[in-house]
Amino acid sequence: DGGITQSPKYLFRKEGQNVTLSCEQNLNHDAMYWYRQDPGQGLRLIYYSQIVNDFQKGDIAEGYSVSREKKESFPLTVTSAQKNPTAFYLCASSNKREGTGELFFGEGSRLTVL
Amino acid sequence: AQSVTQPDIHITVSEGASLELRCNYSYGATPYLFWYVQSPGQGLQLLLKYFSGDTLVQGIKGFEAEFKRSQSSFNLRKPSVHWSDAAEYFCAVEDSGGYQKVTFGIGTKLQVIP
Repeated sequence: DGGITQSPKYLFRKEGQNVTLSCEQNLNHDAMYWYRQDPGQGLRLIYYSQIVNDFQKGDIAEGYSVSREKKESFPLTVTSAQKNPTAFYLCASSNKREGTGELFFGEGSRLTVL
Repeated sequence: AQSVTQPDIHITVSEGASLELRCNYSYGATPYLFWYVQSPGQGLQLLLKYFSGDTLVQGIKGFEAEFKRSQSSFNLRKPSVHWSDAAEYFCAVEDSGGYQKVTFGIGTKLQVIP
């Protein structure tokens, strides 16, 4: 079945370490997104990409980095510069060509910094 | 910049009662509007969307929403709530200018009591 796969589902990290969250989609969607979710704050956009080899900063990009070398993949790196990385991270995609804007979400990755 | 306000953080309703979740948005042009639902520890699922045309839109699971331009609102309704509707609900607005940046509200957590 088509969908978005995020891994790992749970991740623990020591302070000062970088960590990369994987996001893969087989929906043939052009656009991909990373959101961070914290209790009481909804979803905040970290980065988004409309096409391969191109991406834009969202509202809270500091301390994060992404790449979009393949259409199917949009990994997110949480760097040691991110001051408060413990959160639930959601990856999403949408079909830009159809213009519907509907987002398809993965099941999320929960990162805990020890 | 576009923004979304969900004024109710928590709502409790009795099973079988009607439901209305409020959403107000701020956006310069005609927005694309969405309601998503999230079960605990999961990704988000689209309930319904508005792009243009009929201002009353029907979605999955018996939900509907009405777009009111004069009030900048897009409230979600359901005539009779089921226990399985307990979840968190997010209103979202998309930049209709083609950049597909989607902004979410902080969410409304729905509790359903027997």
